[in-house]
Amino acid sequence: SAVISQKPSRDICQRGTSLTIQCQVDSQVTMMFWYRQQPGQSLTLIATANQGSEATYESGFVIDKFPISRPNLTFSTLTVSNMSPEDSSIYLCSASTYRGRDTQYFGPGTRLTVL
Amino acid sequence: AQKITQTQPGMFVQEKEAVTLDCTYDTSDQSYGLFWYKQPSSGEMIFLIYQGSYDEQNATEGRYSLNFQKARKSANLVISASQLGDSAMYFCAMREGNTNAGKSTFGDGTTLTVKP
Repeated sequence: SAVISQKPSRDICQRGTSLTIQCQVDSQVTMMFWYRQQPGQSLTLIATANQGSEATYESGFVIDKFPISRPNLTFSTLTVSNMSPEDSSIYLCSASTYRGRDTQYFGPGTRLTVL
Repeated sequence: AQKITQTQPGMFVQEKEAVTLDCTYDTSDQSYGLFWYKQPSSGEMIFLIYQGSYDEQNATEGRYSLNFQKARKSANLVISASQLGDSAMYFCAMREGNTNAGKSTFGDGTTLTVKP
C-alpha cells in the first residue's frame, strides 16, 4: 500500500490570499489526483496531476484558480488562489497505481477555512 | 445522469449482524473498476475493496465482500459480523475506461451506524 501525507493538515486563511497544499507519497505511483469534499458530502475531483506537464482539470475547475504541480512521481502541490469563503472545504490528495489490480489511496486531507 | 448511485443515505445494523450497502453504476465502457471506501469521523478515506469489470469472482477482503451483478450494474458491499468500529460513511466509486489506475467518480455515500 501507499502512504500519503499532506501539509498543512488544516489552515484558516483570509479572503483574497492563496494557500499551497503539499502531497507526498512514500512510493512511486502511476496517477495523482486532487479532490474536494464538503463535510458529510461526496468527493469532487478537481484535477489529475500529470508528471512534468499541465494538470488535467475537471469541468468547473480552472488552472488559474487551482494551479497544480507534479514535478516527480511521488510529489504534488495544489494551490487555492485568491480564496473566498466558498473555497472552505477539505482538500484530499489521492494516488493510484496498478500492481495486478487497481488501488487508490488518499491522504488525510487539508481542512481549509476561508474567512 | 449520476454515474454512481447510493440510494441509502443512512443505514443501521445491530452489532455482529451482516449489512449490505447498495451501489448501482452507469457506464457504457466494457472495462471499468469499482471501489468501496470507508470514511470514519476522523475524515481519512480508507480503501476497502476493488472489483474489476472482467473479474469473474466477487471480490472479498476479510469481512468485506462485493456482490457484483454486472447485468444489473450493481456492486453492493456486504459487511459481515458488524463491529462498532464499522460506524462510518461508506463511498462507492467507479473508474471508467481502459486506463488502469485512472480517475474515479464517487457516489453520495451511505452513513452506517452499528448499534451495540
